[in-house]
Amino acid sequence: GEDVEQSLFLSVREGDSSVINCTYTDSSSTYLYWYKQEPGAGLQLLTYIFSNMDMKQDQRLTVLLNKKDKHLSLRIADTQTGDSAIYFCAEMSTGTASKLTFGTGTRLQVTL
Amino acid sequence: DAGVIQSPRHEVTEMGQEVTLRCKPISGHNSLFWYRQTMMRGLELLIYFNNNVPIDDSGMPEDRFSAKMPNASFSTLKIQPSEPRDSAVYFCASSPPNRAGNTIYFGEGSWLTVV
Repeated sequence: GEDVEQSLFLSVREGDSSVINCTYTDSSSTYLYWYKQEPGAGLQLLTYIFSNMDMKQDQRLTVLLNKKDKHLSLRIADTQTGDSAIYFCAEMSTGTASKLTFGTGTRLQVTL
Repeated sequence: DAGVIQSPRHEVTEMGQEVTLRCKPISGHNSLFWYRQTMMRGLELLIYFNNNVPIDDSGMPEDRFSAKMPNASFSTLKIQPSEPRDSAVYFCASSPPNRAGNTIYFGEGSWLTVV
């Protein structure tokens, strides 16, 4: 079945760039997503990328997709304390009719 | 815009009691999902509906769990009887038809503690 993996923890200093990585196993993935979860809250969709793209930029966020290596990354430029949260990578495959498979989440800690 | 609305936000109940979680999807959305989040297992899809019909319930843990969607604007997830290991955050999510990116929108979650 589908499997999505992420590192558990990342610490960066305010103002630096953060890069959160994700690997997935399903080569038939059609869309890949990044969600953000703040403490005590639900999951907020940050951005997504279609599998035929290799990069997508949205303000401070840059998503890179290496389909050959099944590797997805989220870069946050000029990281702020408000970016501290858990970031989930998720993938959707053809034939799964909208079913998302989530990674374990990466906790981003932003220090002053 | 109202997002996905879940109730209750927090519930503490005793083992053996029935728990009913409620969800109102975003108006116009035709797919609805129930997820469970725990520290040990992360986010798990329990069941999802398309046009009010259950499509995949393979994630429902056992017969104590049941979900219904009687109409396009309401769904329930019921646990009877509840057990301490059911303690988790239960998220409802919905998505619209013919959506770019097949994006799924989550509610704020129902935080369940079974003692």
